[in-house]
Amino acid sequence: DTAVSQTPKYLVTQMGNDKSIKCEQNLGHDTMYWYKQDSKKFLKIMFSYNNKELIINETVPNRFSPKSPDKAHLNLHINSLELGDSAVYFCASSPAGISAGYTFGSGTRLTVV
Amino acid sequence: QQQVKQSPQSLIVQKGGISIINCAYENTAFDYFPWYQQFPGKGPALLIAIRPDVSEKKEGRFTISFNKSAKQFSLHIMDSQPGDSATYFCAASPGYSTLTFGKGTMLLVSP
Repeated sequence: DTAVSQTPKYLVTQMGNDKSIKCEQNLGHDTMYWYKQDSKKFLKIMFSYNNKELIINETVPNRFSPKSPDKAHLNLHINSLELGDSAVYFCASSPAGISAGYTFGSGTRLTVV
Repeated sequence: QQQVKQSPQSLIVQKGGISIINCAYENTAFDYFPWYQQFPGKGPALLIAIRPDVSEKKEGRFTISFNKSAKQFSLHIMDSQPGDSATYFCAASPGYSTLTFGKGTMLLVSP
């Protein structure tokens, strides 16, 4: 069983479209994250949720909206996609905000054309 | 402001050699320092981690050296193997908080 699973693995879409990426973890962790990895491999935190509550919202355009229906799921919805949104998006989870024990999903490669 | 600075950006090492990657941090509240390994098409995976109460931690061929006064820590990979070829990230956090990552080092171990 995959600990942190993301779908889809690849997403190719046109500029202006709206898309969603789903994430689920079966580790019983309380905290989930979205990271963006750009073409230079830099990993940047976007959002963090603890037990369905938003606790970190970095400087991210408000076209990006996370949603956590329960503590095992954290989805990312992106409106009006732009070329610059092309990147790999990683979901991760950890126990109750503790940075030890971060587990990452395998990523979603988003390409905006 | 980059809170964790990682170098080098890329590294080529011969099989059997020692790979050394360095990181420096600014925030004195950081008290957890992990290293992550990422293979192409995969997510980063925890490799080894250290807390500032020790100066060195070793797990197999991987060693973290930590210098609290200099605010630096490094990853040493002994007897480097082609299978170690990956991108390595250092990270840091003040314990109960989000990890801040370095910019990554692409390691290539030549056969």
